[in-house]
Amino acid sequence: DAGVIQSPRHEVTEMGQEVTLRCKPISGHNSLFWYRQTMMRGLELLIYFNNNVPIDDSGMPEDRFSAKMPNASFSTLKIQPSEPRDSAVYFCASSRDTVSTEAFFGQGTRLTVV
Amino acid sequence: DAKTTQPNSMESNEEEPVHLPCNHSTISGTDYIHWYRQLPSQGPEYVIHGLTSNVNNRMASLAIAEDRKSSTLILHRATLRDAAVYYCILRESSSNTGKLIFGQGTTLQVKP
Repeated sequence: DAGVIQSPRHEVTEMGQEVTLRCKPISGHNSLFWYRQTMMRGLELLIYFNNNVPIDDSGMPEDRFSAKMPNASFSTLKIQPSEPRDSAVYFCASSRDTVSTEAFFGQGTRLTVV
Repeated sequence: DAKTTQPNSMESNEEEPVHLPCNHSTISGTDYIHWYRQLPSQGPEYVIHGLTSNVNNRMASLAIAEDRKSSTLILHRATLRDAAVYYCILRESSSNTGKLIFGQGTTLQVKP
């Protein structure tokens, strides 16, 4: 398996534009996580899916952020409209179950909003 | 969310063992202890996890205190490639959500 695949690797966009980040989890994994990492706040869990259903979105910063998982092999994180403070590295991770197995992370998407 | 406490930073010499401590005094009976590390400019990488017994794998060993309120990640021979931020995380099982909540971690420097 190629691991968790995220696209794009880098994204530069202007303030106010819509941004969509994509994630393909490892086949057979039931849990998917979206994280955001900045120097100031470290790694923050944004939202977590289990069997394609959002379980906990309490980490989503505000209504500008939304995430979907239409099927077991694809998830998106959308920011609309984007703001400079959204600049960060966004990671997607997947794991086979909810507790005892390890999570595998993608390489991340570095988002810069100017 | 159950919390963990780790030193902000540690130093080690190359080819010497490294013991990275973690306190988790509020751990519940079914929480798994996970360790991840993040190399510069990469995503976090799984290292090891355990519940009650000590665990060994090709990367490291995990020593868990008998009362489970603390654990230690052991790198048997540190290399320059082991320089990273190491995170100790409790993975919830009581609510079956399995969230992985990262703290600030320990930044490990390895000196040649």
